[in-house]
Amino acid sequence: AQKVTQAQTEISVVEKEDVTLDCVYETRDTTYYLFWYKQPPSGELVFLIRRNSFDEQNEISGRYSWNFQKSTSSFNFTITASQVVDSAVYFCALSEPLTGNQFYFGTGTSLTVIP
Amino acid sequence: DTAVSQTPKYLVTQMGNDKSIKCEQNLGHDTMYWYKQDSKKFLKIMFSYNNKELIINETVPNRFSPKSPDKAHLNLHINSLELGDSAVYFCASSLQGAGYGYTFGSGTRLTVV
Repeated sequence: AQKVTQAQTEISVVEKEDVTLDCVYETRDTTYYLFWYKQPPSGELVFLIRRNSFDEQNEISGRYSWNFQKSTSSFNFTITASQVVDSAVYFCALSEPLTGNQFYFGTGTSLTVIP
Repeated sequence: DTAVSQTPKYLVTQMGNDKSIKCEQNLGHDTMYWYKQDSKKFLKIMFSYNNKELIINETVPNRFSPKSPDKAHLNLHINSLELGDSAVYFCASSLQGAGYGYTFGSGTRLTVV
């Protein structure tokens, strides 16, 4: 079974629109971490955020915000007022440090922001 | 200054050749990884080393062999390259395992012709 599901394979939005990237995870651990990474067209993988399972506070960083909901096992990512530079593949990931120390990536969501 | 550096960035080679990709991190992390990203962007772990010791060895052909001379380096050697090996290979490192997240290298695009 997929540990991290990013159901949206590709999304296109027009510049300045808001967009939400969905991430649903599966774990039996009580201690785990969730992440988002960005992969722009240049190819590098850029860390965006890390959230531990005990901190359900939503986070905002500029135009980026993250909504962590344990009740629905979701960790969604919203970009407000999207810009062309936001065009990238975004990966959600889960780590279970206490059981096997594994890191699970979702399959990624490709976001295209149209000028 | 680069935290995780891998070389080369691009590698084009013929089938049957042997090649190596080097990775070095200057973050003082104790765990290093190799990931393969295929054409559909799927990231798949290949190997993980903790303090020079192999801790994850996923199902990859034994033509792939990691080498960790010290905890700051994890090189990937590939024998008898095949067309299907064409992909982007990412090195990464982390502090005390996966809980803190990874710092990735910039990737090596391997093309086998």
